[in-house]
Amino acid sequence: GAGVSQSPSNKVTEKGKDVELRCDPISGHTALYWYRQSLGQGLEFLIYFQGNSAPDKSGLPSDRFSAERTGGSVSTLTIQRTQQEDSAVYLCASSLDSNTEAFFGQGTRLTVV
Amino acid sequence: AQSVTQLGSHVSVSEGALVLLRCNYSSSVPPYLFWYVQYPNQGLQLLLKYTTGATLVKGINGFEAEFKKSETSFHLTKPSAHMSDAAEYFCAVNPGYQKVTFGTGTKLQVIP
Repeated sequence: GAGVSQSPSNKVTEKGKDVELRCDPISGHTALYWYRQSLGQGLEFLIYFQGNSAPDKSGLPSDRFSAERTGGSVSTLTIQRTQQEDSAVYLCASSLDSNTEAFFGQGTRLTVV
Repeated sequence: AQSVTQLGSHVSVSEGALVLLRCNYSSSVPPYLFWYVQYPNQGLQLLLKYTTGATLVKGINGFEAEFKKSETSFHLTKPSAHMSDAAEYFCAVNPGYQKVTFGTGTKLQVIP
């Protein structure tokens, strides 16, 4: 695609439910990143993929968070048993390789009620 | 491991005044450096980047940044602030074939 696409753009979920956030990177981009941006906060790194493997998942806040990437393309971030503190904008970015600039999607705004 | 420090989470300037947003990095190898801008309720977009070559880099909307290896800095400047420059700015570093690391961001307010 022309840019990084994230879906859904907005998600409201009840506390305790599981959610899946999807990221479609730019075609051919091997590196993919997930970040979280809470209200008034900076970018919090979650996980980095190079191809289908995740050499750095140090930012995942708890074992309720997981992510996978298949076919070197689409990535899914899953949050199990959502909590109110999970409410944030989740941003995905991709780059041609880990040496070049990252292009960001518009984000998924997650609200846990 | 690399890191990025942005001095000042909030910066206010008057319209027409100089904009200076500070970024210092640590990296064990010569890094690639980036500045991104995030306008309200929008995603991040690349403002400018330094990879190799000329240390003074020009970006969009009149912004520029200078890579100073001796000071491990990559400060962002613009000679004359415009109201439309109000946004959050993020500095980022990549030491090469590793993940990009972002600073915590600086919110720029432009006062009329």
